[in-house]
Formats: sequence, C-alpha cells, structure tokens
Amino acid sequence: ETGVTQTPRHLVMGMTNKKSLKCEQHLGHNAMYWYKQSAKKPLELMFVYSLEERVENNSVPSRFSPECPNSSHLFLHLHTLQPEDSALYLCASRPTGTGKVGGYTFGSGTRLTVV
Amino acid sequence: KQEVTQIPAALSVPEGENLVLNCSFTDSAIYNLQWFRQDPGKGLTSLLLIQSSQREQTSGRLNASLDKSSGRSTLYIAASQPGDSATYLCAAASGYSTLTFGKGTMLLVSP
Repeated sequence: ETGVTQTPRHLVMGMTNKKSLKCEQHLGHNAMYWYKQSAKKPLELMFVYSLEERVENNSVPSRFSPECPNSSHLFLHLHTLQPEDSALYLCASRPTGTGKVGGYTFGSGTRLTVV
Repeated sequence: KQEVTQIPAALSVPEGENLVLNCSFTDSAIYNLQWFRQDPGKGLTSLLLIQSSQREQTSGRLNASLDKSSGRSTLYIAASQPGDSATYLCAAASGYSTLTFGKGTMLLVSP
C-alpha cells in the first residue's frame, strides 16, 4: 500500500447505474487528484482539489462529478456512463505549502467496466 | 502545452543487463520530474523524484538524471532482474496541477 487507498478495486456497472469511487489518504497531503488511464493513452488529469486551487478538466463529461469533503477524502460520483468510460481510475495526492512542488503518491486504482 | 515522450515504447532484455529509458519534454519550465513504475492492472509506484534544481537522484539500482535545458531525463537501471518487468512512466510537473505523463516504456526482463 502506498498510503493512498482506493475503493472499490473493481467495479462493473450498467449505463443507467449510479456509483461512487472513493479515495482516502492519511499522508497529510493537501492536494488530491483524479486521473483516468485508458488503454494506449497517457494518463489524463480529470480533477484537482488543493488548498491552492480546484481545477477541472473542461473536457471531462458532466456524468463524472467530484466531491472533496476534506483534505483526506475524495470521491468521484458516476452516473449514466458510457462504455468508452471503461478505464482505470487513479487517485493521487501530493504535499503542498513547502515552497516547492512535492511528488505525487498514487493509489492502486479502480478498474471500471461499463456494460 | 507540455508534451512528454518516452523512448523506446517497449524493451526486452536478458537478466543482468544495464539499461536506459529515455524521457523528453517540450517545456523546460518544470518544477520537477517523477519516474513511476506500473505493474499490469495496478496503480503507479513512485520510483524517483527530481526537483528542477537537481541533476540526478539515486535509489538502489536506479538512477535518474535531469537536463532541463535540453528537456531530457533518463532512468538507468543497473543489473536488471525479472522483477523489474513493468511499465515505466515519466511525468513532468509544470505547475501545482499540471502533471503531464508520457505513454510509458514497457520493460520485459527475461531470466
């Protein structure tokens, strides 16, 4: 375990379902991220939550909705997904406020399959 | 817009060989560069982080170098082992939220 925990590890959902992915870290990091990894593509940033900023990738469809209730928890709410949304969803965290950009710690990911 | 390229895309070597993985980036205004390892179907494991003011970092059999002016980083793996087989990713941090990944180098080390 890296210190960033993602649940569930695997998820199969129908296109009409609503589900949520959960990410939790107790590393004291103040920035958390959702990345999407599709086959044959580089990792794509979806959302960022940090003390400095909240950033959303404008190309992410509204069927993905992030929630960050505190600095240790991050959720990705999913609804009416499409088969092309099937991918590995990775959560990451990073320390901030040290005057330099710290390294990222990633979770093990949630393998999502939309049927 | 930052672009990160990794060469080669795939590499197959016999056990014991020393090898070099290459990473290039187009925008030299980076805060740091990080190398990760990813096993099939798994998340990313951080290997080495090089801040922009540093030239290299070492951890065990791994050594990563950074040349900002030329937009290049290399990951050197000494005495490769079958357990090193994985995909290696480099990522350039251009800001607080902008971490740009390459597509990775898939490494296979055969016994």
